[in-house]
Amino acid sequence: KNEVEQSPQNLTAQEGEFITINCSYSVGISALHWLQQHPGGGIVSLFMLSSGKKKHGRLIATINIQEKHSSLHITASHPRDSAVYICATGIIQGAQKLVFGQGTRLTINP
Amino acid sequence: KAGVTQTPRYLIKTRGQQVTLSCSPISGHRSVSWYQQTPGQGLQFLFEYFSETQRNKGNFPGRFSGRQFSNSRSEMNVSTLELGDSALYLCASSTGQGTNEKLFFGSGTQLSVL
Repeated sequence: KNEVEQSPQNLTAQEGEFITINCSYSVGISALHWLQQHPGGGIVSLFMLSSGKKKHGRLIATINIQEKHSSLHITASHPRDSAVYICATGIIQGAQKLVFGQGTRLTINP
Repeated sequence: KAGVTQTPRYLIKTRGQQVTLSCSPISGHRSVSWYQQTPGQGLQFLFEYFSETQRNKGNFPGRFSGRQFSNSRSEMNVSTLELGDSALYLCASSTGQGTNEKLFFGSGTQLSVL
């Protein structure tokens, strides 16, 4: 059974700080997703990774397949980055059967 | 391009009733997956449909079922509702043909069972 663990569960920081959220999983995967969920429920897919590193604006996601670990970094954080960040692993290629972490609630204070 | 549309947005039902939720994917997307989100269990995969066929299924009882139509729109049905079925139900769509793809989520249906 694949377990997905995120840390920290809650994170409060000041505007401008560098943010790191970690995700560890227990079995081999085909892909890892980073998702963002704002109050009200809507989920946005930020990244889908199978190896290496991806960058989009101030967000960077990395994955280490050997160590079964991924990180999401936010540079120059802003209050609008406040949201729940969720990592999810896919273990079947071409399918959307995902196993989710419990989420990290991020609050950025101005 | 229109996003993923879920209806209704909110729903209140009583125990024992059944409910049907709808999900219209992005045009051209043939895969629709469904997820349940609760404060206690977080997000859990329900099932995925691709080209009108169930491709994968999560660990939910048979009261949870779904289907997909030829236009890729999908419905999920929950029969004999229980209090524990109160949750946010999300669907997501993708082309379903890539090896690994980003998912596009709807805004969800908030179901309350009284």
